[in-house]
Amino acid sequence: KQEVTQIPAALSVPEGENLVLNCSFTDSAIYNLQWFRQDPGKGLTSLLLIQSSQREQTSGRLNASLDKSSGRSTLYIAASQPGDSATYLCAVRLGTNFGNEKLTFGTGTRLTIIP
Amino acid sequence: SQTIHQWPATLVQPVGSPLSLECTVEGTSNPNLYWYRQAAGRGLQLLFYSVGIGQISSEVPQNLSASRPQDRQFILSSKKLLLSDSGFYLCAWSTTGGHTIYFGEGSWLTVV
Repeated sequence: KQEVTQIPAALSVPEGENLVLNCSFTDSAIYNLQWFRQDPGKGLTSLLLIQSSQREQTSGRLNASLDKSSGRSTLYIAASQPGDSATYLCAVRLGTNFGNEKLTFGTGTRLTIIP
Repeated sequence: SQTIHQWPATLVQPVGSPLSLECTVEGTSNPNLYWYRQAAGRGLQLLFYSVGIGQISSEVPQNLSASRPQDRQFILSSKKLLLSDSGFYLCAWSTTGGHTIYFGEGSWLTVV
């Protein structure tokens, strides 16, 4: 059974700093990995998606990397801003055929950027 | 463009009362549909998913059920709510064989 872990559970950093969020998964046979952002009391917004054949994806100040063999992904946020404060979740997908297309989520990292 | 709507946004229900949460997707056909629950201090737990009308898989045994009466409509129900059913419920969709999953805004359920 796939298990996804995110450490730390909470992180506070001063504005302007670069930071890294970690995600690890137990079954390396994944189809893709996705990073989401969740603001308090809201739904999830997709940030970046990395296919199993890719090593990294970038969007603006965000960079996500994937090391499938070691079961790890990182989300790098450059020049953090107070608006980046949110909970960040990673999720893995095993495949595309019936039964494998669903996502397994980590418990998230609650990020607070201190002005 | 595709959109997902979920309602009601919040509700407070007494123990033993019924529940109906509704989710609809617009702008796409034959989506995969999902219901997740996010309990306080816990991650997202997949409750049900559906790849087509009448095809629903349940991930965990529970007090809830799901139905898909139309291609782009997904309903989460309960006949008698328990206190442990309280949480944040999220509907989501993805295209068949697609990569990205899209979430609704969620429904806060408090069972009292």
